[in-house]
Amino acid sequence: AQSVTQPDIHITVSEGASLELRCNYSYGATPYLFWYVQSPGQGLQLLLKYFSGDTLVQGIKGFEAEFKRSQSSFNLRKPSVHWSDAAEYFCAVGAQAAGNKLTFGGGTRVLVKP
Amino acid sequence: EPEVTQTPSHQVTQMGQEVILRCVPISNHLYFYWYRQILGQKVEFLVSFYNNEISEKSEIFDDQFSVERPDGSNFTLKIRSTKLEDSAMYFCASRPGQGGWEQYFGPGTRLTVT
Repeated sequence: AQSVTQPDIHITVSEGASLELRCNYSYGATPYLFWYVQSPGQGLQLLLKYFSGDTLVQGIKGFEAEFKRSQSSFNLRKPSVHWSDAAEYFCAVGAQAAGNKLTFGGGTRVLVKP
Repeated sequence: EPEVTQTPSHQVTQMGQEVILRCVPISNHLYFYWYRQILGQKVEFLVSFYNNEISEKSEIFDDQFSVERPDGSNFTLKIRSTKLEDSAMYFCASRPGQGGWEQYFGPGTRLTVT
């Protein structure tokens, strides 16, 4: 069975500082991996995805993530955080099957200090 | 940019009543999904739908739940007899199909069962 762990429930970061959100997954084959962001009252917006190939993937809003198979991780990073990045971030793994259900981590809430 | 839409944004119902949550997936997408998020918990997969039939469902998706694509554009989730524990945010998602593994989410419907 697939599973995702996001060890950090809350992270507080100063505006302009770097941000790294951790994600560890469990999946029996090569996973499809995703990061979504949810702002208050909003739906889930896709930030980036990894299917295969280059293990460093770029997404929207200046985010990037690195797939490390040996560590079963897919950590999300941003070099310089903006106040608008305050939101909840979800890592998800997708099954390589026709149904392709997503299994989500518990989320990390990011607070940005001025 | 095309997006998934959901109506209503908030639904309040009494225990035992039937509710129908509506979604309009992105045009030309082929796979459709429902997820739910109970307050403070993870986003959970409910069901996936392709070619007018359920392709996968979770243990949560029991006989009280059903899905339908009645007219080629709408995708609905029906709960026949709501329980207090059905109170949650319900998200609809869709994805393109062959080679398009990323899912695009709607803004959600908050269901409150009293």
